[in-house]
Amino acid sequence: AQSVSQHNHHVILSEAASLELGCNYSYGGTVNLFWYVQYPGQHLQLLLKYFSGDPLVKGIKGFEAEFIKSKFSFNLRKPSVQWSDTAEYFCAVKPGRRALTFGSGTRLQVQP
Amino acid sequence: DTGVSQDPRHKITKRGQNVTFRCDPISEHNRLYWYRQTLGQGPEFLTYFQNEAQLEKSRLLSDRFSAERPKGSFSTLEIQRTEQGDSAMYLCASSSDRYTGELFFGEGSRLTVL
Repeated sequence: AQSVSQHNHHVILSEAASLELGCNYSYGGTVNLFWYVQYPGQHLQLLLKYFSGDPLVKGIKGFEAEFIKSKFSFNLRKPSVQWSDTAEYFCAVKPGRRALTFGSGTRLQVQP
Repeated sequence: DTGVSQDPRHKITKRGQNVTFRCDPISEHNRLYWYRQTLGQGPEFLTYFQNEAQLEKSRLLSDRFSAERPKGSFSTLEIQRTEQGDSAMYLCASSSDRYTGELFFGEGSRLTVL
């Protein structure tokens, strides 16, 4: 079945630690890839996106993600997390003309 | 506020009752999406519209669920004969035709079925 997998359900880091959240998808063909974030008490919002071109994309607040086509992966990274990055992070895939499909999310807790 | 708005924000109902949620998208967005989210899960796609046309429906959308967007502006999602398993956050989002993966979400409507 076509799906989006996020391997880490809950991640706890200290401030200044580096972050990498995994995302794999199982769709064939052309896909567009996204990371969305939901801060506590707020609605989902777009963090970054990949359509084509440079597989390393940069988003807001110092986040970046790398698309590795051969691995069907789109991992999210940040060199140094802050307490304000505490949130839930969702990987999402848009296969062709179909609607966006989300992974189950990773809850990130950053300790000061 | 020119974002996506949803109403009501929270609905408590008894099993077997019908409920309806409304979503007002960003005015210049042609596409409108409904998702459902339960605790610890990501948003599950239910259906989406381009203007008034319903272009895709998930298999999750049983015959008790119906969505409309009659004039291509606001949309309603109705759940008939609610069941406890319908308890969830119902999310609405909108996007432009050009940037169809860039969804702008509302705050959601939380449904609790007793």
